[in-house]
Formats: sequence, structure tokens, C-alpha cells
Amino acid sequence: QSALTQPASVSGSPGQSITISCTGTSSDVGGHKFVSWYQQYPGKAPRLLIHDVSDRPSGVSYRFSGSKSGNTASLTISGLQAEDEADYYCSSYSSSSALSVVFGGGTRLTVL
Amino acid sequence: QVELLQSGSELKKPGASVTVSCRTSGYTFTSYAINWVRQAPGKGLEWMGWINTNTGNPSYAQAFRGRFVFSLDTAVTTAYLQISGLRPKDTAIYYCARDAPGSVMMGDGFDPWGQGTLVTVSS
Repeated sequence: QSALTQPASVSGSPGQSITISCTGTSSDVGGHKFVSWYQQYPGKAPRLLIHDVSDRPSGVSYRFSGSKSGNTASLTISGLQAEDEADYYCSSYSSSSALSVVFGGGTRLTVL
Repeated sequence: QVELLQSGSELKKPGASVTVSCRTSGYTFTSYAINWVRQAPGKGLEWMGWINTNTGNPSYAQAFRGRFVFSLDTAVTTAYLQISGLRPKDTAIYYCARDAPGSVMMGDGFDPWGQGTLVTVSS
């Protein structure tokens, strides 16, 4: 069982917007700004999409945006494209008894 | 450009040891920590820990203390993951990942990642 909770799957049609949630606790997601999102295609390494809750590294499309409310972070993908079909993972620094990084279980995005 | 190049797939028997290398290029090796992440077949990502490339000091997630060792060779800008006493449940893809530029805390983004090394443990 992963430390952060994500929906197993989401889907949307081209052009639509979708949101993937990532729920943790006050020791991780809710306690600071160190929340990241990654995209992973099958058989490939993950790629950083968002860090510090809502910051995009250079080269990442503006269609990807991040936000946070309380213990839940969210990744929104606007203007869905077929190439967005992939797995998405959230992660967070955790200040629990064992300082660490925790990941969500991952969400499979299907573009209909 | 910044690149992390990992060693190739390994097939090991239970009880054996394996070393995965992560050769870096395109940046100052000692300026960014290296993290290790495991992904079991068909499963999600699991953070194993990180190593400070300035001091060589490793830090392990709770589940990875004991049989897992992170090390460096700064002369060849390479990080290593050694796993001893391999078990079938260690079968996974192991990734190295650099702290992202501007990172100020563990977990503040990993970028870029190595291509991954598949370690298969089977008798």
C-alpha cells in the first residue's frame, strides 16, 4: 500500500481537461511545498512534470499544472492529447518519524 | 546535456549480489544528490534513499536498510547501488535519479532519471 493515495485510473477525450488527485497527510502533502508529479510511459523512465506543488521545469508543456489544498495535491492536464496517455505518479517529502520521500500508487490516464 | 546512464540488465540467483552503476555526465557531479528508486514489475515507484555526492553520506528508506548500499566514485562521476543476499522479491527495475535543479529538500523533484536497470532474481 502506497503512502499517498491516487485513483488507479482516469480517462478523458481529446481536448478535455482531467485532474488527478494525490491524498496524503499533514506529515507529507499537507505539511510543506515539496510535492512533485511524474509522467511515465510503458517501458520508459519517469519524467518530472511538476515540482514544488506547481512549478514546471523548462520544456514541460503549459498544459500540465499542479495545485494543492490541505492534504490533497492535484495534477491537471488541459487540452488532452493522445500523447498524454501514460502513468502519472505524485511524490512528496515526508517529515514523519523516518524522513523520506513517498510516492503515490500511480494513475493510468487513458485518452479515449 | 545532463545524462544518467545505467548498467545493463542482470539475472542473478537467490543469495547472490549485484551492483548497478549510474554514470553521470553534463553537469558537476558533486552539486546534486543521487536518489535510487525501485519499480517492481507492474507496480509503482518506491523511493529507496539517496546519497550526498559531496560527502558520500548515504541515507536509506526504512525498507532498504541492511542489504542495500549506495556508493560513489567521484573520479568517474558514477553512483552505485549494491544489493546483497538477493531474493526473488528484489526483482525490479532500479532507477537512479538526480535531484532537480533548485532542489532544497529531499523529494523536491528528481530530474533527470537514468533509463533503469532490470534486475531479475530467479533460480
